[in-house]
Amino acid sequence: GAVVSQHPSRVICKSGTSVKIECRSLDFQATTMFWYRQFPKQSLMLMATSNEGSKATYEQGVEKDKFLINHASLTLSTLTVTSAHPEDSSFYICSAEGTAYNYGYTFGSGTRLTVV
Amino acid sequence: DAKTTQPPSMDCAEGRAANLPCNHSTISGNEYVYWYRQIHSQGPQYIIHGLKNNETNEMASLIITEDRKSSTLILPHATLRDTAVYYCIVRPNIETSGSRLTFGEGTQLTVNP
Repeated sequence: GAVVSQHPSRVICKSGTSVKIECRSLDFQATTMFWYRQFPKQSLMLMATSNEGSKATYEQGVEKDKFLINHASLTLSTLTVTSAHPEDSSFYICSAEGTAYNYGYTFGSGTRLTVV
Repeated sequence: DAKTTQPPSMDCAEGRAANLPCNHSTISGNEYVYWYRQIHSQGPQYIIHGLKNNETNEMASLIITEDRKSSTLILPHATLRDTAVYYCIVRPNIETSGSRLTFGEGTQLTVNP
């Protein structure tokens, strides 16, 4: 149990365009989802916390107008990178916590974003 | 959240036990110790967690010192597939919904043939 599906796994986009990444909890309801970013050879950095039905909470230094997060249902959260630039190229990972607590957070498989 | 300290890298021979240490000297009474690992270009994978007692599951064992200031993750028979970055994380009470996981730099474990 506790599977999180993240899509797409890889995406290449042109500078100035927007990209949407989906994170779905497949077999549980996720009241809280987290979005991380990871640059090469670095650890995961928390970007924002999203709670179903409310606005996301962004970490310091993360532009909320650039990284739009929507958590409209208990099984789906989306991250939209707006007006992407090459410096936004990174590995984006979501994680989810279920309503019935099991043993911590389950992570998606990640999305490799390359902005050209 | 309590800060953790791990060695940046370790090597282990295939088939031998891998013992990964973690210091968390500022851990508070309601914080659990979690271990995750991340294989290259994948999302982190849960391994094990504990509060104060030693824990074992099908993947690993977790040994927590009596004062809870450090712990060791043990992979009893390491395989090449265990090569990954291992993260030791402490987080608030397990029932606290929405509490974040803060990742440190972790330990790069390389299992050699």
